[in-house]
Amino acid sequence: AQKITQTQPGMFVQEKEAVTLDCTYDTSDQSYGLFWYKQPSSGEMIFLIYQGSYDEQNATEGRYSLNFQKARKSANLVISASQLGDSAMYFCAMREGKRTSGSRLTFGEGTQLTVNP
Amino acid sequence: NAGVTQTPKFRVLKTGQSMTLLCAQDMNHEYMYWYRQDPGMGLRLIHYSVGEGTTAKGEVPDGYNVSRLKKQNFLLGLESAAPSQTSVYFCASSLLPDFRDEKYQETQYFGPGTRLLVL
Repeated sequence: AQKITQTQPGMFVQEKEAVTLDCTYDTSDQSYGLFWYKQPSSGEMIFLIYQGSYDEQNATEGRYSLNFQKARKSANLVISASQLGDSAMYFCAMREGKRTSGSRLTFGEGTQLTVNP
Repeated sequence: NAGVTQTPKFRVLKTGQSMTLLCAQDMNHEYMYWYRQDPGMGLRLIHYSVGEGTTAKGEVPDGYNVSRLKKQNFLLGLESAAPSQTSVYFCASSLLPDFRDEKYQETQYFGPGTRLLVL
């Protein structure tokens, strides 16, 4: 079974509008971490936002927020006020197990976001 | 402060040839990782290291070997390259966990990637 599922291969949004990228995860661990990374066409991996499983508040980083619904096992990324530079591939990832064993990440297949002017 | 660097940026190999990819980080990170990314897919963990002199297998370790002789370097070796190893390879590093600040400690910082083509 997929540990990280991103059901939207592609998404389109108008500039200045908000967009939600979906991510569901599967784990039996009590302690885990959830991440979103951005990969522009240039190829580098850029860290956006992190949510720990014990965090009660949704994480926010500037225009990025993570809608964490633990019971549903979902960790959706919300981008507010989209910009043309937000056009990229977005990956959801999860760390399971003890952090002292290395923060090994499992990635989803990604969502290609296109921001239209 | 260069962060995470990878050498080379691009390489073409013939089937059966060997090569070593070098990853270097100057952030004094304890943990290092090698991932591969195939077209249209997310990254998959090949091998990782939780400290100098240690290595462990990830999700897709077959056909690869690694070494961490120095804390700042993590080498990925292909002994006999196969076309199935055509991919983009990413190295990453992260800090030793400190439970005072999960986000800061958990975040993995990635190198720019190495594009490998095996003919």
